[in-house]
Amino acid sequence: QKEVEQNSGPLSVPEGAIASLNCTYSDRVSQSFFWYRQYSGKSPELIMSIYSNGDKEDGRFTAQLNKASQYVSLLIRDSQPSDSATYLCAVKPNDYKLSFGAGTTVTVRA
Amino acid sequence: NAGVMQNPRHLVRRRGQEARLRCSPMKGHSHVYWYRQLPEEGLKFMVYLQKENIIDESGMPKERFSAEFPKEGPSILRIQQVVRGDSAAYFCASSPTEINTEAFFGQGTRLTVV
Repeated sequence: QKEVEQNSGPLSVPEGAIASLNCTYSDRVSQSFFWYRQYSGKSPELIMSIYSNGDKEDGRFTAQLNKASQYVSLLIRDSQPSDSATYLCAVKPNDYKLSFGAGTTVTVRA
Repeated sequence: NAGVMQNPRHLVRRRGQEARLRCSPMKGHSHVYWYRQLPEEGLKFMVYLQKENIIDESGMPKERFSAEFPKEGPSILRIQQVVRGDSAAYFCASSPTEINTEAFFGQGTRLTVV
């Protein structure tokens, strides 16, 4: 079982719509959860971090964490063409190794 | 407040040569991660270091690869006797501590083995 799994893409959404990205993790004692955005040919950029169950909102981004279900998600509201990128879910379990999912590629259609 | 600095940005090596990749963490950060990314693939964990200590090297090949993070100076990822399959983007990330803190990435080093 992979440590971090993301819903397979690519995900295509029209401009202005909500993009929903999902991630599950295997290590139940994981404490820290992150979403990174990576544009083609660039390095990953941190966009959200979440440590407690519930929702965390930052601008058009909302991260949701459910530790009981070992599930973390990212919603992008009012999607813009500039949101077109690969989104990486990252989890830091107790051994502190930051593990990444394979990523979900999002394309926002103008 | 400089971010994570990696150099060189691009590195070309012939098969059999050595590649040295450098990573200077953000100011105040004492934890460094190295990742490898092949084209169209995800980030593969290689090694996690603190100053003068390797914490987890479970993702690093046993042969030809080594990493260090000395008390002074940048973290170094060293690849000896490079082969074509080593061609990839190598990213490092740094964080201030190991618990509940965010990690920030450098721009990466694109290694091409010819």
